[in-house]
Amino acid sequence: DIQMTQSPSTLSASVGDRVTITCRASQSISSWLAWYQQKPGKAPKLLIYEASSLESGVPSRFSGSGSGTEFTLTISSLQPDDFASYYCQQHSRYSTFGQGTKVEIK
Amino acid sequence: EVQLVQSGAEVKKPGESLKISCKGSGYSFTTYWIGWVRQMPGKGLEWMGIIYPGDSDTRYSPSFQGQVTISADKSISTAYLQWSSLKASDTAMYYCARQRVRGVSYFVYWGQGTLVTVSS
Repeated sequence: DIQMTQSPSTLSASVGDRVTITCRASQSISSWLAWYQQKPGKAPKLLIYEASSLESGVPSRFSGSGSGTEFTLTISSLQPDDFASYYCQQHSRYSTFGQGTKVEIK
Repeated sequence: EVQLVQSGAEVKKPGESLKISCKGSGYSFTTYWIGWVRQMPGKGLEWMGIIYPGDSDTRYSPSFQGQVTISADKSISTAYLQWSSLKASDTAMYYCARQRVRGVSYFVYWGQGTLVTVSS
């Protein structure tokens, strides 16, 4: 299995902060990576696909980058609606999710 | 509008069988892969597997192969996840989700989730 390691597990930030979440793959996955946002009690929502493509309707403050084994999700200016958990997902060989990053209010 | 509507919450005893469902609407059910994702209480997301309803081609995560069965009935636009003998460790929220592209890929549309509780 390809293992996905996200860091940090928890992140405390304030509205307006620039936030970066990292996802590392145990082997190269090219650009076969997606990012999701999940709020408590809700289904996940697709933010980024193929490492850097912004899903339709997702605010432009979200961006993704990386290829191979290291990827980042960046929120350029954190908004109140962005406090949530974030997951990466590789789909190079089968599929696996990272363990998640919870973005909390500082 | 694409919608995935899942069956309601279930409470079962260990050893019982269960089949939960996910009905797709607003698109051609047979031409998009649908998958299942597990989320244990307070934990992260786990990819279980996917099915292509057009020909029932199914891919399982090695972690779930042999533990569950994914199927689909294209005549009623419904995908299923089933267990033959539940364990307490199957207690979780289960989401169905639809991909946009073929093969193993990312999920664009999600169901509302089905909570499965297994307890004696």
